Amino acid sequence: ELKVEQNPLFLSMQEGKNYTIYCNYSTTSDRLYWYRQDPGKSLESLFVLLSNGAVKQEGRLMASLDTKARLSTLHITAAVHDLSATYFCAVGEPPSNTGNQFYFGTGTSLTVIP
Amino acid sequence: DAGITQSPRHKVTETGTPVTLRCHQTENHRYMYWYRQDPGHGLRLIHYSYGVKDTDKGEVSDGYSVSRSKTEDFLLTLESATSSQTSVYFCAISAGLIQETQYFGPGTRLLVL
Repeated sequence: ELKVEQNPLFLSMQEGKNYTIYCNYSTTSDRLYWYRQDPGKSLESLFVLLSNGAVKQEGRLMASLDTKARLSTLHITAAVHDLSATYFCAVGEPPSNTGNQFYFGTGTSLTVIP
Repeated sequence: DAGITQSPRHKVTETGTPVTLRCHQTENHRYMYWYRQDPGHGLRLIHYSYGVKDTDKGEVSDGYSVSRSKTEDFLLTLESATSSQTSVYFCAISAGLIQETQYFGPGTRLLVL
């Protein structure tokens, strides 16, 4: 069974600061996902990383993937309050005709303090 | 939102009663998934479907069954609900050329008393 570990689980940071969330996974995969979830809401897809060395950026968030290290990072630049949410990483099995499973980390609860 | 709806959105039921949750999609996606979300566990896959009448188990399938008789509907049934099945249930579909992206429904909050 593929395991996905995120750290930290809880993150409180001041506005304007930078920080990185880490996502480690246990077996080879080149399909890594980042999601955002606001309290009481569903999950919103942020990034889909499909190859080693992939880097994607959207606003103050940048995600990268190192498949050899089995590590993905979500970097937050100059945090603002609107980024407060829970962030999940997930790893997908390779696609097949009979479907594929996705495995989620436990999430990082981010609070940005003014 | 990839045209995904879930019903009911909230349900309170008693231990031992059967419960069926419905996921409906409007865009003819082949792959559909049921997850449960619990504090400290993230999302865990219950069952998934790769076509009409084609389903398979995920990592936490005990106590759950699913059915998919038509492309647009994926049903999750708790045959005899237990308090440990109190959770938020999310349906998802995967889309894209290589099924690379998952989109989630709004969720169903289930409380088993």
